Amino acid sequence: DIQMTQSPSSLSASVGDRVTISCRASQGISNYLAWFQQKPGKAPKSLIYAASSLQRGVPSRFSGSRSGTNFTLTISSLQPDDLATYYCQQYNTNPPRFGQGTKVEIK
Amino acid sequence: EVRLVQSGAEVKKPGESLKISCKASGYNFANYWIGWVRQMPGRGLEWMGIIYPSDSDTRYSPSFRAQVIISADTSIATAYLQWSSLRASDTAMYYCASLSETTANFDYWGQGTLVSVSS
Repeated sequence: DIQMTQSPSSLSASVGDRVTISCRASQGISNYLAWFQQKPGKAPKSLIYAASSLQRGVPSRFSGSRSGTNFTLTISSLQPDDLATYYCQQYNTNPPRFGQGTKVEIK
Repeated sequence: EVRLVQSGAEVKKPGESLKISCKASGYNFANYWIGWVRQMPGRGLEWMGIIYPSDSDTRYSPSFRAQVIISADTSIATAYLQWSSLRASDTAMYYCASLSETTANFDYWGQGTLVSVSS
């Protein structure tokens, strides 16, 4: 059973800051890692798939990377609209599994 | 355009049964995995399980096996999540999500169904 460990659980940053969120898989998942954004009261929205591919329509300030079983979501310049909780999710094995989530707040 | 439309909010008592639905449109429902995600109040997202509608192959997350039943009806392009005996701890928002052919991930989401269980 693949476990996804996400950190930090929350962060507070200023508009314009560079923000990074980490996710580690307990075993190899190749590139089968996605990042989701969930705004309060809304369904999750896919931002990135295959570790680093940006979904159509997602702003280019979002990016993803992989190093082995470690994955990173980066927001290059935080915007007020980025207030949300972010989840990593592996889809190498079924059913998929989410990380615990990172709540991003704006200072 | 892919759309997943879920059934409306439910208020139930402990011990009651419930079946909620997720109607799909805009793609070949039978040939793509579709699943259910639970979100308890103030908590994170948890995959409950997924189903391949054309042959009803179903994969449950360990925490939800024997707690719920996931099913699908290809004739009406609808997936279901059902409980035989609800508990207060089943109070949560439930989302359905389907696989994208383009990304091979669960990119399409329903709007959510809120289930409240209280005596």
